[in-house]
Order: sequence, then C-alpha cells, then structure tokens
Amino acid sequence: NAGVMQNPRHLVRRRGQEARLRCSPMKGHSHVYWYRQLPEEGLKFMVYLQKENIIDESGMPKERFSAEFPKEGPSILRIQQVVRGDSAAYFCASFTNSGTEAFFGQGTRLTVV
Amino acid sequence: QQQVKQSPQSLIVQKGGISIINCAYENTAFDYFPWYQQFPGKGPALLIAIRPDVSEKKEGRFTISFNKSAKQFSLHIMDSQPGDSATYFCAGWTSGTYKYIFGTGTRLKVLA
Repeated sequence: NAGVMQNPRHLVRRRGQEARLRCSPMKGHSHVYWYRQLPEEGLKFMVYLQKENIIDESGMPKERFSAEFPKEGPSILRIQQVVRGDSAAYFCASFTNSGTEAFFGQGTRLTVV
Repeated sequence: QQQVKQSPQSLIVQKGGISIINCAYENTAFDYFPWYQQFPGKGPALLIAIRPDVSEKKEGRFTISFNKSAKQFSLHIMDSQPGDSATYFCAGWTSGTYKYIFGTGTRLKVLA
C-alpha cells in the first residue's frame, strides 16, 4: 500500500476552482487506475491509463474531468470547475504488466466548499 | 452485466464468531475474483483471491468459497477479531480488460 504515493492527502477547493490530484505508481508499474469512492459507497472505476495513453475512460464524466500519465512524472487526475458533488475520496491503483493485484494509494480526500 | 452485487451492506459479529460476506456476478468473462480489505482512512489492500477453476481457497482465517454455476462467491472469516473490523470489497476481473469491477462493500464490525 505504501508504495503507491498520492498527494495531497486532503484537498479543499471552493466551487468553481480546479482540483489536481497526483499519483506516483509503484516502481516498475506502468498501469494506473483511478477510482472514486463516495461516503458509504463502493469504488467506482473512472479511468485506466498506461504511460502516455488513456486505455479506458468509460467511468469518467465527459465534462470537467481529465487524466494523464506522462512518460515522466506522476499520473494526474484533473477536475475543473469543481462542484459539491465532486467531494469524495479518489484512489489511484497501479499494476505490473503481468499482475492482477491492484496496489492502492492512500487516497486524496477532496472537499468542495 | 458488469455488476458485482455484494451483501450484506454491514455486518456485526461477536469476537470469535464467523463473518460471511457474499457476492454475485453476471459477467461470465470474469476470471479472477479478489477480496480487498480497507481500513478507515486507508486505501484498499488485497486480502485473498481465487480463480474460477477452484472451488475454495483458504489463507489462515480467511476462506473464499466459489460456486461457478451459481455465479457466486463468498468470504468467510473464521474466529473473527476486532482487528478485522474494516470494509471488505469483492471484485471481478477479466484478463485483457485490466479493469476491476468492485462490489459496493461490506462494513464489518467485530465486537470485543
């Protein structure tokens, strides 16, 4: 768990601002997933990325949300013009090329005020 | 067809008792079924997993029972301890899609 680093751990944004969430996968992992967890609810798939490619973004809202995983540096989940309904915990998970185990970070808890 | 249905939503068990959490799936393409454990304020961590060619897998106090024909699988926690109090998620995975489909979670509380 400690191997996947997410920051910040807590983020407070006013409505209309941008939120930028960062995820550094475990060393050697080239697959990154983002999940959203609402209070008292399960983990909802948002997007699956490999280095420089978005593989599956079927869980991502069409507007205001974007994700990237550049060749160098962390994966970024970006939420523009945040609204109160975006308040949630956002988890990043990474996999090896051949693995089935998802290693999760500790999450970023976004609060929109 | 992508859903994984998990029950119960919450569970209270006495210390030393057996905790049972059930999941049902529809997608017959799933070929890996993990259970993840999540403590408050932490990310989920893999607890135990099973492939559909096996009907049962045991690791310590944790056992997965798998019924392929019924498309159901369950987690049994024997001799439940207060330290097992957490949220448990089942999931389905299809090779090639690299996408977990999670159940909605079960909040387990083990009373001392």
